[in-house]
Amino acid sequence: TQLLEQSPQFLSIQEGENLTVYCNSSSVFSSLQWYRQEPGEGPVLLVTVVTGGEVKKLKRLTFQFGDARKDSSLHITAAQPGDTGLYLCAGVSWGKLQFGAGTQVVVTP
Amino acid sequence: EAGVAQSPRYKIIEKRQSVAFWCNPISGHATLYWYQQILGQGPKLLIQFQNNGVVDDSQLPKDRFSAERLKGVDSTLKIQPAKLEDSAVYLCASSPTGGGNEQYFGPGTRLTVT
Repeated sequence: TQLLEQSPQFLSIQEGENLTVYCNSSSVFSSLQWYRQEPGEGPVLLVTVVTGGEVKKLKRLTFQFGDARKDSSLHITAAQPGDTGLYLCAGVSWGKLQFGAGTQVVVTP
Repeated sequence: EAGVAQSPRYKIIEKRQSVAFWCNPISGHATLYWYQQILGQGPKLLIQFQNNGVVDDSQLPKDRFSAERLKGVDSTLKIQPAKLEDSAVYLCASSPTGGGNEQYFGPGTRLTVT
């Protein structure tokens, strides 16, 4: 059973469109990480958010940590085909990562 | 800097057979993790090593899975005997220290049990 729920499970958009994926939990985490995983590869860390309400930007990606540190969102502006991948959130609790099931994002030219 | 290396990349076996996976972490990383990622799910931690000692193996099915990290560097994960539900990608990750810091993942080994 996954403690972190990610939505949507799958998202297909055209190049240039915006998208938001969500990561929700009933548990409080000390921090939350977002990873991107491409086919045949392991997950790669994109960002770690630590403080409730924190917003971090990584080029066209904006990450937000909920005030209560239970949920997070990832917003991509003007998506590009290179953004295609499986986006995983992972809550950090007692030094351990608990992953959500991921959101598969496909950006077509 | 070389990344986390894993081998083999793919393995197909029949149920009840044995299989072993190998992982070489990033040089100097004290913490090593093995994860199981079933299709459509996120990675699930199987075991965590700190140097050559086990920190957490609470989700490792110990009746069939075993892992070791001799000399605190390379690690092997073994399944004996394999079941159909063991079909998954097995990911190895390492970090300089534990505690939820950034983990660096290898490419994984895709296991298919028929």
